[in-house]
Amino acid sequence: DAKTTQPTSMDCAEGRAANLPCNHSTISGNEYVYWYRQIHSQGPQYIIHGLKNNETNEMASLIITEDRKSSTLILPHATLRDTAVYYCTRYTDKLIFGTGTRLQVFP
Amino acid sequence: GAGVSQSPRYKVAKRGQDVALRCDPISGHVSLFWYQQALGQGPEFLTYFQNEAQLDKSGLPSDRFFAERPEGSVSTLKIQRTQQEDSAVYLCASSLAGGGPGETQYFGPGTRLLVL
Repeated sequence: DAKTTQPTSMDCAEGRAANLPCNHSTISGNEYVYWYRQIHSQGPQYIIHGLKNNETNEMASLIITEDRKSSTLILPHATLRDTAVYYCTRYTDKLIFGTGTRLQVFP
Repeated sequence: GAGVSQSPRYKVAKRGQDVALRCDPISGHVSLFWYQQALGQGPEFLTYFQNEAQLDKSGLPSDRFFAERPEGSVSTLKIQRTQQEDSAVYLCASSLAGGGPGETQYFGPGTRLLVL
């Protein structure tokens, strides 16, 4: 199946790092890994993307394994506003979404 | 506006009615995508435009679904003879250039369609 695999849900304490894993074992060499998040009743919000190298921006870090079969999104200091569904997607000629991880950040 | 906008935000239709959903992409964005998101699921690709050309419509679930982008900017997704299984959130996204891998898609807020 071309869809990515993610845990259904995760919890994280406010101020701690949230590490969200994703499995994409069938990804091919020219496919990017994109991460989006979706807060209730809103459209998906872009977070970060990468191909082979680890990436960091103002929102998060993306760690991609050397064999590219899995990746981890890291939110370094989670806040309550980071509570959302996080999607790891493959980008071929279109975005292929899985069912995502529901991250709950608690005080 | 700065982002992708969609209208209406909510639409209730009786089974059998036709509906039209509008998407205004980010100004200057060449590529436009439509996705369908069922409750509790991730978005599923429907169709893709580059300017006014519809380059991929492989995700449209039936011939009742039709999309157009006649002037290469605003797009309309039309659903004819709506069925209850069409109830979903319809998301539009745009990207700056050709829409290939490595080019970020930016999403609108979606239109929530409920077919009774």
